[in-house]
Amino acid sequence: AQSVAQPEDQVNVAEGNPLTVKCTYSVSGNPYLFWYVQYPNRGLQFLLKYITGDNLVKGSYGFEAEFNKSQTSFHLKKPSALVSDSALYFCAVSDISNFGNEKLTFGTGTRLTIIP
Amino acid sequence: KAGVTQTPRYLIKTRGQQVTLSCSPISGHRSVSWYQQTPGQGLQFLFEYFSETQRNKGNFPGRFSGRQFSNSRSEMNVSTLELGDSALYLCASSPRTGGRAGELFFGEGSRLTVL
Repeated sequence: AQSVAQPEDQVNVAEGNPLTVKCTYSVSGNPYLFWYVQYPNRGLQFLLKYITGDNLVKGSYGFEAEFNKSQTSFHLKKPSALVSDSALYFCAVSDISNFGNEKLTFGTGTRLTIIP
Repeated sequence: KAGVTQTPRYLIKTRGQQVTLSCSPISGHRSVSWYQQTPGQGLQFLFEYFSETQRNKGNFPGRFSGRQFSNSRSEMNVSTLELGDSALYLCASSPRTGGRAGELFFGEGSRLTVL
């Protein structure tokens, strides 16, 4: 069974500082990994994904994520945080060996708060 | 291009009743998935439909069902509602093409409260 873990329920970062939201995964084969963001009272928005290739993936709104196979991690990063980045962030995984279905397994979410 | 539309946005039901939620995907998207979001369990996959066929199903009891129509619109139904069914139900559509697989476009959700 596939799973993801987001070890931090809450992350606080000062505006302008770099931010990191952590995610580790567990799958039987090679993973497809995703980050989604949820703003208050809204649905989720796709940020970025890793399938294969370069371990550093760039996405929307200046976010990027680094895939680390040896540590089974896929941490979300941004060099300089904005107050508007405050939201709930979800890491997700899909089993690549069974890809072609759209089932994503989500982590429990990390609430990111950027402090002005 | 219009986004994913879910109706109703909010609804209140009592235990034992049944509810139907509707989802209109982005034009051209043939895959529709449903997720349940609760504070305790997080986001849990309910089912996915593609071309009117259920392609995948999560670990939910048979009270939860869904269907997809020929125009890709989807409905999900929950019968014999329980208090624990109170949640935000999110619908997502996807182009389901190889290069963009997994990129789900979510609606704003239907918030169900069971009293």
